[in-house]
Amino acid sequence: NAGVTQTPKFQVLKTGQSMTLQCAQDMNHNSMYWYRQDPGMGLRLIYYSASEGTTDKGEVPNGYNVSRLNKREFSLRLESAAPSQTSVYFCASRIAGQFTDTQYFGPGTRLTVL
Amino acid sequence: GDSVTQMEGPVTLSEEAFLTINCTYTATGYPSLFWYVQYPGEGLQLLLKATKADDKGSNKGFEATYRKETTSFHLEKGSVQVSDSAVYFCALMDSSYKLIFGSGTRLLVRP
Repeated sequence: NAGVTQTPKFQVLKTGQSMTLQCAQDMNHNSMYWYRQDPGMGLRLIYYSASEGTTDKGEVPNGYNVSRLNKREFSLRLESAAPSQTSVYFCASRIAGQFTDTQYFGPGTRLTVL
Repeated sequence: GDSVTQMEGPVTLSEEAFLTINCTYTATGYPSLFWYVQYPGEGLQLLLKATKADDKGSNKGFEATYRKETTSFHLEKGSVQVSDSAVYFCALMDSSYKLIFGSGTRLLVRP
């Protein structure tokens, strides 16, 4: 049981390049989330998927797209990377239920855009 | 909208000192409240949580009590260790099950 896994761990891009961040969970959770972490700002929600087949915008969705490939996998795509997207990206998952409301986080992807 | 405010760091303490990290929130209704911890180079781990007023969450010697009257969820530990050095995040879960985080407080414990 690996929990939430993310690839890659580190990535350096040039402005304008594209890439996809991968996230997978093996806990059979329904909901998945993408956050970015910037110094002094905590974590901010980019996109989330409440269940397989649905995605919704969070607080800071501009410049990103997501795909909920199946119940296990939720990817984040940067079509044309910008220096403002330099950040640490975290994926999280949560099982839906009235009394279960904990999100579990992956180890993060550190992205630098030059 | 919902928000979380926590004390700015860094907080620097000597080993075995008492720790308090303040956290207050603004929300409609009574959200679940959380403390997450991030050790250097790692992701976030759930430290403790409380789901209703007057609940006390506790784990690894850390405690926090859900105070509806003061809309607070302060984190405390009686005797910190060097291994507690990390960044601590207070968060609430809104009505759509999304987490809203505070800005984080860095704790540095010196031997």
